[in-house]
Amino acid sequence: DIQMTQSPSSLSASVGDRVTISCQASHDISNYLNWYQQKPGRAPKLLIYDASNLETGVPSRFSGSGSGTDFTFTISGLQPEDVATYYCQHFDNLPPYTFGQGTQLDI
Amino acid sequence: QVQLVQSGAEVKKPGASVMLSCKTSGYMFATYYMDWVRQAPGQRLEWMGTINAGGGGTSYAQKFQGRVTMTRDTSTRTHYLEMTSLKFEDTAVYYCARAVRGLGIWSYWGQGTQVTVSS
Repeated sequence: DIQMTQSPSSLSASVGDRVTISCQASHDISNYLNWYQQKPGRAPKLLIYDASNLETGVPSRFSGSGSGTDFTFTISGLQPEDVATYYCQHFDNLPPYTFGQGTQLDI
Repeated sequence: QVQLVQSGAEVKKPGASVMLSCKTSGYMFATYYMDWVRQAPGQRLEWMGTINAGGGGTSYAQKFQGRVTMTRDTSTRTHYLEMTSLKFEDTAVYYCARAVRGLGIWSYWGQGTQVTVSS
């Protein structure tokens, strides 16, 4: 199975900051990577798919980049409502689909 | 609009079985796969498996093979997840999730069902 490793596990930032989260895959996954936001007691919400595509309705301050084994998720201009845990997730032709361990973001 | 409404919380004893449901609306039921993802307390999300709503074919994560069965009822537009031989570590929130842009890209999620395994 492909292992996904996120860093950092947690971070604290201020409103307006640029925040970056990294995700590393144990094998080349091309651009088969998604990013989700999960708030306490809620289901995950898809933000970025195919490594860099913004899901419909998601604010443009969220972005993603990378391919192969190294990926980056960025929030440009942190807002109070962005407090959440963020997960990367790989998907390719062969399940299982696996998630990173999550990054808890606080303000 | 697409809706996935899951059944209510369950409390089970170790060794018991549980069946969860995910009732859908707002889209062509047979066109889309449905996946199940769970999250144990303080743990990462974990993909359990998927079912083809049209043909009923399934694919399970190796960890759950033999203990999990995914089925669907096309007449009621409802998906089911049955898990047997429950263990304490199966305590988790279980989500159904449906893709839009391709397999494994989940745009729609149920609200989650809490399953607690306790003696």
